[in-house]
Amino acid sequence: ETGVTQTPRHLVMGMTNKKSLKCEQHLGHNAMYWYKQSAKKPLELMFVYSLEERVENNSVPSRFSPECPNSSHLFLHLHTLQPEDSALYLCASSQDPGSGTQYFGPGTRLTVL
Amino acid sequence: QQQVKQSPQSLIVQKGGISIINCAYENTAFDYFPWYQQFPGKGPALLIAIRPDVSEKKEGRFTISFNKSAKQFSLHIMDSQPGDSATYFCAASLHGSSNTGKLIFGQGTTLQVKP
Repeated sequence: ETGVTQTPRHLVMGMTNKKSLKCEQHLGHNAMYWYKQSAKKPLELMFVYSLEERVENNSVPSRFSPECPNSSHLFLHLHTLQPEDSALYLCASSQDPGSGTQYFGPGTRLTVL
Repeated sequence: QQQVKQSPQSLIVQKGGISIINCAYENTAFDYFPWYQQFPGKGPALLIAIRPDVSEKKEGRFTISFNKSAKQFSLHIMDSQPGDSATYFCAASLHGSSNTGKLIFGQGTTLQVKP
């Protein structure tokens, strides 16, 4: 595997379910990010991790819970989501958190029923 | 102050034509302006980027023009090809600063190049 991978690619869940999104980067980068991409809206930064430490939480509701066990893996735990949370969730990585050059995974298409 | 405004929202160009996408920003502290290209089913990928100390950067058929005084920058795609059909995002950031290198994205432009 190369670059940034995300699993699953598609996820359908009910509002009471608990699920997790997984991201893995094979680039040796030190920073990882979660973005939300909704139709007709700019990409929204959700969380930033630098060397496994969360450095930014962009006022994201607590029903989204990130986890970064090491510099290569990033998870987004989902619980009690709302239909408006349906979107494409993108993971990205960069060499360091000060870099504007980020490498994105293919995303997980999430549908909340 | 943190917004990046992108236009047009969608663009249709004939093969061989020039595609032009424009972006404007407010925060004069931004010092790095990348463009990302996204194909359906894929994540965005860095296409080309510029810093405000130059007015133009060219890579193959892709050129960024930068107007620091107007706080505007644009992407020009010369000799547009059907394979260029994708969504393009401009972005701005404080590159290499002590902050998180937060990228502020424009709303995106969906480009369709007709054969």
